[in-house]
Amino acid sequence: EVQLVESGGGLVQPGGSLRLSCAASGFTFSSYVMSWVRQAPGKGLEWVSGISGNGGSTYYADSVKGRFTISRDNSKNTLYLQMNSLRAEDTAVYYCATYPRYDHFDYWGQGTLVTVSS
Amino acid sequence: QTVVTQEPSFSVSPGGTVTLTCGLSSGSVSTSFYPSWYQQTPGQAPRTLIYSTNSRSSGVPDRLSGSILGNKAALTITGAQADDESDYYCVLYVGSGISVFGGGTKLIVL
Repeated sequence: EVQLVESGGGLVQPGGSLRLSCAASGFTFSSYVMSWVRQAPGKGLEWVSGISGNGGSTYYADSVKGRFTISRDNSKNTLYLQMNSLRAEDTAVYYCATYPRYDHFDYWGQGTLVTVSS
Repeated sequence: QTVVTQEPSFSVSPGGTVTLTCGLSSGSVSTSFYPSWYQQTPGQAPRTLIYSTNSRSSGVPDRLSGSILGNKAALTITGAQADDESDYYCVLYVGSGISVFGGGTKLIVL
């Protein structure tokens, strides 16, 4: 059974940093493109970032480019999202998801809430 | 900047058929955008329904189908049920590893 479990969310002040993790199991993690998708409270879904199976290629939405960094540790079956220079508008539930061929999302985690507020 | 458009809301009667659409603010949607569709109920993670225009994800009933209608991608639900009442999102792949979500459609079954 495929499982994706996010962690690392919480309350952070504007300008602060946070690192999210997504622990994967039930599939060959290194073979899968992975992504982060977020959802602000009461709003729609927004694609944030994607990373190739070997970590060599990364992609970002314009809204987070230069502030967020996606990475993965295939030896630990874990996906990361390093978030710096956080803003109030980054407040959202962050989901990790498999992203086969970069053209759709397949399996989803349950999400972790990030709140940026003073 | 690519803007993906969806109807904000739609109503369907139980047992009825509804077609939700997914378009572009500029241009036409084709299979080259690999349109996909997701269902989300409040407080839950999204559930993948359709990918690559018309391929059903595992466990999705065949009363849900995807297609291209005119210049838009479409999700058709036949025999609507109460538990179809959800938010539905489409996604278009715009290249270079980047996908764009539509704003979502709130489907009401009544």
